[in-house]
Formats: sequence, C-alpha cells, structure tokens
Amino acid sequence: AQSVTQLDSQVPVFEEAPVELRCNYSSSVSVYLFWYVQYPNQGLQLLLKYLSGSTLVKGINGFEAEFNKSQTSFHLRKPSVHISDTAEYFCAVSSSGSARQLTFGSGTQLTVLP
Amino acid sequence: AAGVIQSPRHLIKEKRETATLKCYPIPRHDTVYWYQQGPGQDPQFLISFYEKMQSDKGSIPDRFSAQQFSDYHSELNMSSLELGDSALYFCASSWNQGIQETQYFGPGTRLLVL
Repeated sequence: AQSVTQLDSQVPVFEEAPVELRCNYSSSVSVYLFWYVQYPNQGLQLLLKYLSGSTLVKGINGFEAEFNKSQTSFHLRKPSVHISDTAEYFCAVSSSGSARQLTFGSGTQLTVLP
Repeated sequence: AAGVIQSPRHLIKEKRETATLKCYPIPRHDTVYWYQQGPGQDPQFLISFYEKMQSDKGSIPDRFSAQQFSDYHSELNMSSLELGDSALYFCASSWNQGIQETQYFGPGTRLLVL
C-alpha cells in the first residue's frame, strides 16, 4: 500500500515571495510522483511529474519539484509566486506495479496575498 | 488540444434516485479512471478500465457500477443515492504505454443529493 502526506493544509504567502509545499510518501515499491493543481470549482491540472531520471523536475507556471528517495519526499517549489497561483495543490503517487490509480494527499491550500 | 469531457457538469438528485455520469476520454486514450472528491477532501479512486475491461477497483460502493464502451467512453451508474454521495466526480484518461502514463482529468461532475 502507498500513502501520501502533505504536511501543510494551508500556506499563506505574500506575492513575489518563494514558496515550498511539502509532500512525503510511503510505498513498498518504486513510485511515480505527481503534483496537480485545482483552482476553485475546476478540475485537476497536472503541474509536473516524476517518472524516472533527473530528480529535479520542472513543470508549468514556473513550478519545480525535487524527488528525494532517501527522504521519501517530493516537495514543490516556486521562487516567486503570483496572486493567480492561489489554489489547492495535491501531491499524488502511483506504484510501479500493475495498479495505476493515483493516491492523493489531503491537499495544500496556497493563498497568495497582495 | 482536446481534453476529457464529462457530462453533466452539475446534477441534483434526491435520495434513493439513480444517476449516470458520462466521461469521454481524450482521443486515442485507452484507459479511464473514476475518482470521487468529497467536500474538503482529496480525490479517492473508485474504478478504472483499460481497453473496455475493468482493470482496478478502489473504494467503489456496491451501489455503483461502471463500464467502458467500444468507443472508449465510460459511464458511472449510481443507484439508491445517499446524501453522502454528494461529491465531485472526476474522470481521468490516459494512454497505456507500459510505463506509468499521465492521467489527464476532466472538469468533474458535481453531484448533489438532497
């Protein structure tokens, strides 16, 4: 079984400040990792993913994440946030086995303040 | 680019009624996933289909059933609706390439059971 823990349920940050949203996972097998963003009343949009290779992954809207196998983490970062980044962010994991469904964390609400 | 289409976008039903949610995957995608997101919760995997066969099953109640048709669209049938079924139902599609493929989510169907 696999699980995802998003350590912060709410992260307020001022505009143009850097932000880090934390994600830790547990799994007995190799995993694939994803970050999705959900704007109010909308669906889930893929920000970035880690499948293999370089542990630093760059995504859309200036976001990046680093896979750290020893710490079982996949934290999301952005050096300078905008008001438009205000949304719910979900970290998700799937295993390398035959089951491909995503297991999501509980989400982090990022609120960018002017 | 074409995205995942879900219909209807909003649905209001009464207890003990039935509901049918439809999902049209991205063209050439052969796998469909269904997720349920309760108010303030993370999405939970319900069921998935690959090439019209059920591939994985998650926390889907026995009152629910689903199938994938020859044109790859999928329908989630929900019977004897309960208040607790009120949620946002997401469909995601992917193209099974033998490795972990990316799931692309639709905008969701918001179901309200009164």
